[in-house]
Amino acid sequence: EVQLVQSGAEVKKPGESLKTSCKGSGYRFGSYWIGWVRQMPGKGLEWMGIIYPGDSDIRYSPSFEGRVTISVDKSINTAYLQWSRLKASDTAMYYCARSRRHSDSPDAFDIWGQGTMVTVSS
Amino acid sequence: DIQMTQSPSSLSASVGDRVTITCQASQGISNSLNWYQQKPGKAPKLLIYHTSNLETGVPSRFSGSGSGTDFTFTVSSLQPEDFATYYCQQFHNLPLTFGGGTKVEIK
Repeated sequence: EVQLVQSGAEVKKPGESLKTSCKGSGYRFGSYWIGWVRQMPGKGLEWMGIIYPGDSDIRYSPSFEGRVTISVDKSINTAYLQWSRLKASDTAMYYCARSRRHSDSPDAFDIWGQGTMVTVSS
Repeated sequence: DIQMTQSPSSLSASVGDRVTITCQASQGISNSLNWYQQKPGKAPKLLIYHTSNLETGVPSRFSGSGSGTDFTFTVSSLQPEDFATYYCQQFHNLPLTFGGGTKVEIK
């Protein structure tokens, strides 16, 4: 079965760091883009960025560049999303998702992780 | 960035109704448009890719059309399990962008 499994919910304080994970299985992990999508409570979907595990090519949304870091460890089929200094406004559900087309650019997200809820509160 | 404007933002409909949602891009995106369904507490699910292609396993009552800047998503006969929020998403240019969503509620 093709799936993405994300790490569990996190509760952090403002200023703390965090690294969440997304592990792929059931397919050739290195050949498909993995994207990250934020959903703030009660709000819509926002694309944060994307990485191609095969060569670690990373593209960020301007809205998130400098605020988060996307990385990958292809040896363990895992992508990461990390923050160095969390803010209360980072409280949201974060999804990873696989792009269905394995080419030089992403298209539709056909496989989604279950989401990681990040709560940042003092 | 390409802005995606979805309408309506919400609608009420009955089982069996035909439902149509529109998505307008701020510039031409050819057929680079996808549609997703999201139910409360769940991850989004891809329904239609590249404007009109039905994802594997998705019922044929769902369809999509359009090109350029104007796109339409239709549910031909709404079923109880279709009450959810729907999002369009363009992939013509980075950054990828989503529409604001359309919540389909029971009348």
